[in-house]
Amino acid sequence: DTEVTQTPKHLVMGMTNKKSLKCEQHMGHRAMYWYKQKAKKPPELMFVYSYEKLSINESVPSRFSPECPNSSLLNLHLHALQPEDSALYLCASSQDQLSSYTFGSGTRLTVV
Amino acid sequence: EDQVTQSPEALRLQEGESSSLNCSYTVSGLRGLFWYRQDPGKGPEFLFTLYSAGEEKEKERLKATLTKKESFLHITAPKPEDSATYLCAVQMERRDTGRRALTFGSGTRLQVQP
Repeated sequence: DTEVTQTPKHLVMGMTNKKSLKCEQHMGHRAMYWYKQKAKKPPELMFVYSYEKLSINESVPSRFSPECPNSSLLNLHLHALQPEDSALYLCASSQDQLSSYTFGSGTRLTVV
Repeated sequence: EDQVTQSPEALRLQEGESSSLNCSYTVSGLRGLFWYRQDPGKGPEFLFTLYSAGEEKEKERLKATLTKKESFLHITAPKPEDSATYLCAVQMERRDTGRRALTFGSGTRLQVQP
């Protein structure tokens, strides 16, 4: 298995909702990442997990809460989002933090 | 300050018309320069990693090269299916933690017309 799987592919949520994005990989990668991408912009780093521990938090607002339950899974919990948080959320994984990243297809999030 | 810059922002080519995309960088202690291809609404797809000046890698119609200040992605005789956004990325050190993670350039949107 050489894929990173993200669910759901699309998500529409209200500003008072709580939802979660899920990411899964079975490549034995020990580093996992969340990126946010707005239209016609490059992906921007949000969080890095290394060996299931939070390694980097790029000063992301607390309404985004990451979680790494085990080495294969990465979640992003969403609460009280704003319309400007609408974007493509990408998950990635890598063998270690200096190797190439494998990206999932993303979750297209719309906040209404 | 670490930076990665891509040019041009957009490029339109005729099928078969070769060209090059540029990625210039200023990074303290380069730990690899990465090229990705991204189709609309999808995640970036890994193409190449280059580690040292003078290194070259090829895949089908694509060839990536690296110098001490920049990288080029050469596209030879492109086809319409090569249309995509091409992103370069480098490992940048975070000031607060000293840890590194991939930081992307702004990308080049390539359109190849038949």
